[in-house]
Amino acid sequence: DSGVTQTPKHLITATGQRVTLRCSPRSGDLSVYWYQQSLDQGLQFLIQYYNGEERAKGNILERFSAQQFPDLHSELNLSSLELGDSALYFCASSVASGGEQYFGPGTRLTVT
Amino acid sequence: AQSVTQLGSHVSVSEGALVLLRCNYSSSVPPYLFWYVQYPNQGLQLLLKYTSAATLVKGINGFEAEFKKSETSFHLTKPSAHMSDAAEYFCALTAGNNRKLIWGLGTSLAVNP
Repeated sequence: DSGVTQTPKHLITATGQRVTLRCSPRSGDLSVYWYQQSLDQGLQFLIQYYNGEERAKGNILERFSAQQFPDLHSELNLSSLELGDSALYFCASSVASGGEQYFGPGTRLTVT
Repeated sequence: AQSVTQLGSHVSVSEGALVLLRCNYSSSVPPYLFWYVQYPNQGLQLLLKYTSAATLVKGINGFEAEFKKSETSFHLTKPSAHMSDAAEYFCALTAGNNRKLIWGLGTSLAVNP
C-alpha cells in the first residue's frame, strides 16, 4: 500500500458526460501528479500540482482539468467524454516537486 | 533534454532463468534513476532507485540494477525469475533542476513455467 488513495476504482459512463476522479496523496506529500494509461498510448503524464498550484503540464486535453485543494487532495475533471478517453487514470504523489513518486491504485474509466 | 529508452517492449524468460531488462538514458547532468513495476490491474510500485550513492542498487523482490555512466545504462536484473515477476516494468529518470520524471515506454515481462 503506497498511501495514495483514489476513488472511485471503476467508473462507467456514456460519451458526452463529465466525471470527476479524486486522489488523496500520502501524508506529508505536497505534489500530486495525474497520469493516463491506455493500451495504445502507454503511460502519459497529464498534469502536476504542488501545494495547490499547477507546476507542470503534459499531454492533457483541453476537455480535462484538475485542481489541488488546500487539504492537498486533488481532483481530475474529464468532460465531453469520448470513447478514446477510456483508460486507467493514476494519481501519484511526492514530497517535493519532482523525484520519486508513489502511485495510487488507479481509476478505470470506461466510456460507452 | 533528458530521455529514457527501454530496449525490448516484451521480454520472455523461463522460470528460474536470469531476468535482464534494459534501460538506457540520456542526460546532460547527473541523473537520478528509478525502476517501477506494475502488476496486472494495479498501480506502479517503486522497485529501486539510484541517487548517486552506490552504483549497484538493490531493490525489493530480489531485483537489482547497476548504474553505468560510461554506458549510460541502468539495467534491471534478477538472478532467478519467478512466476510472480510477470509484470510491466518502467524505467524513469529525473535530473538537475527539472525534477519531472521522464518515463520509458515500459517492458512487459512474461515468465514461462
